[in-house]
Amino acid sequence: GQQLNQSPQSMFIQEGEDVSMNCTSSSIFNTWLWYKQDPGEGPVLLIALYKAGELTSNGRLTAQFGITRKDSFLNISASIPSDVGIYFCAGQEISGTYKYIFGTGTRLKVLA
Amino acid sequence: EAEVAQSPRYKITEKSQAVAFWCDPISGHATLYWYRQILGQGPELLVQFQDESVVDDSQLPKDRFSAERLKGVDSTLKIQPAELGDSAMYLCASSLETGEGNNEQFFGPGTRLTVL
Repeated sequence: GQQLNQSPQSMFIQEGEDVSMNCTSSSIFNTWLWYKQDPGEGPVLLIALYKAGELTSNGRLTAQFGITRKDSFLNISASIPSDVGIYFCAGQEISGTYKYIFGTGTRLKVLA
Repeated sequence: EAEVAQSPRYKITEKSQAVAFWCDPISGHATLYWYRQILGQGPELLVQFQDESVVDDSQLPKDRFSAERLKGVDSTLKIQPAELGDSAMYLCASSLETGEGNNEQFFGPGTRLTVL
């Protein structure tokens, strides 16, 4: 099935560093969602974006809806060990069943 | 806090056997989704319900998979017969509605299926 491109695939960073990741698509989306998934668990919703250019924060997390509506970005500031996990983006189709297409994931590891 | 419930959390079965997964969405959520997630990949939609109606099952392998949401609340996903390639995490999610706005998806903890 279709999956969005996420970059980078994986990251190893030191505790306290900032993290940036992005998600790109060839299609336009109405909504972008960002999730974090721990091993063996379901994804947990972090941030929802609804308008092109929108910038939204949730604690140390900040996400942006790209102005082209084909991409989105997630930043984590001052990373801590519990930020470890896999981060997924999801874009919502603009017509039809309005289903979500998920990204391939960015695996984050934080070194204390 | 309202959550999506799924059971069982883990299921081990032999190939050619039948398996069933259950999902109870957040109360009041009209839209329910079943996803399959293969290790190392993002979730892929199998079926989407709006109330009791299927709105998208284009990626559901209908020769062996079936899904129902008879009363528009909880849902069951069935595989019969299971094949080795069905080993994956099966995730259920729900949202208030289908369409733009009020459509944030919330996931349950998933069912990890292993087919031997």
